[in-house]
Amino acid sequence: SQWGEENLQALSIQEGEDVTMNCSYKTYTTVVHWYRQDSGRGPALIILIRSNEREKRSGRLRATLDTSSQSSSLSITAAQCEDTAVYFCATSSSFSKLVFGQGTSLSVVP
Amino acid sequence: EAAVTQSPRSKVAVTGGKVTLSCHQTNNHDYMYWYRQDTGHGLRLIHYSYVADSTEKGDIPDGYKASRPSQENFSLILELASLSQTAVYFCASRDWGGESQNTLYFGAGTRLSVL
Repeated sequence: SQWGEENLQALSIQEGEDVTMNCSYKTYTTVVHWYRQDSGRGPALIILIRSNEREKRSGRLRATLDTSSQSSSLSITAAQCEDTAVYFCATSSSFSKLVFGQGTSLSVVP
Repeated sequence: EAAVTQSPRSKVAVTGGKVTLSCHQTNNHDYMYWYRQDTGHGLRLIHYSYVADSTEKGDIPDGYKASRPSQENFSLILELASLSQTAVYFCASRDWGGESQNTLYFGAGTRLSVL
């Protein structure tokens, strides 16, 4: 799982496999964001899930949220090489601030 | 889609020198942010602003100043650059509320090397 200033986690999978990345957060939040960062670029939002949702889907992406354990997960079904990127979860520590987890570096190989 | 432009894209600075990183957004967002990313790590918040002529400290503000002269522009200033400030810096603007739920829109980043 990812949080705070720890080192980036690294995952390597074969094309076509499913993968799940986990995120635990420390403060109350009403929404969890998942961002994707391609090499040399800024992060971009790929999916967000609100506190009143247990699951959210977008194409091959599936996000879950468990507010009781303060954890979220992002799953990618049938990963493709183009899914290779760094994935971050982010939560709102306050109205103004979004705090990022340390990220998971996903490598999908043919 | 939100457009956030950072300049320069990369910079080499000398220790003790002054560095200014600039950010411009064209989407009429009130909130703007500066994050720092070290190799192999996540993003940490340095400064942010929710209105022109006002800035707020983030989680790691020491050694950095920020300036928001207008809604569109937000600068990060390193008065005395140090080796430890070598990193990639990202600017972001925020779309508040509604369906987007506080989504951040990031620029492409500025790679700063302090020698």
